[in-house]
Amino acid sequence: SQQGEEDPQALSIQEGENATMNCSYKTSINNLQWYRQNSGRGLVHLILIRSNEREKHSGRLRVTLDTSKKSSSLLITASRAADTASYFCAKTSGSRLTFGEGTQLTVNP
Amino acid sequence: NAGVTQTPKFRVLKTGQSMTLLCAQDMNHEYMYWYRQDPGMGLRLIHYSVGEGTTAKGEVPDGYNVSRLKKQNFLLGLESAAPSQTSVYFCASSSRLAGGGNNEQFFGPGTRLTVL
Repeated sequence: SQQGEEDPQALSIQEGENATMNCSYKTSINNLQWYRQNSGRGLVHLILIRSNEREKHSGRLRVTLDTSKKSSSLLITASRAADTASYFCAKTSGSRLTFGEGTQLTVNP
Repeated sequence: NAGVTQTPKFRVLKTGQSMTLLCAQDMNHEYMYWYRQDPGMGLRLIHYSVGEGTTAKGEVPDGYNVSRLKKQNFLLGLESAAPSQTSVYFCASSSRLAGGGNNEQFFGPGTRLTVL
């Protein structure tokens, strides 16, 4: 199975609410990255967290990493309709990224 | 600065036909990748390259070949297309990250391929 499994597979919330997506992985990593994909488009990098970091912020995004549990979470605060997209975590090992199957986030206006 | 570009954007093939997808990047990145994405799924790595003249197999390499003759270009070939290769193909590039691991990847807009 793919490394970087996301949970939940789909999430529907109201504008203004927070959205939390989780990612688990199986083997050691150099870093873990989160990407966003709008329908019919390529992926866009959101944030990278190194294996020796525990938390990172970027605007309305907050990422945590727990290497002991081999898991990461992405929190989007004060969501907007424009945040509707698929979100993927990707584990980095060497020169390769391994993507999970993604979480489809729908933010209702 | 165009980033990562892919040609063509769309293509329809008949079973057994061949084609080449072209990826170009203008960011002087060392690493380049070809992925495929099927409905409702994440990306699966087909082949990748860590430098000019080098290529390596990814997760799903069968039925595809690649070449990286120039640092800025990465070509993906289908020698004899099959319906199972109907998918959206994404190219990406990245630089090495100091301290190990892969830096953020920059993606092209994708090529939608249908094999009849």
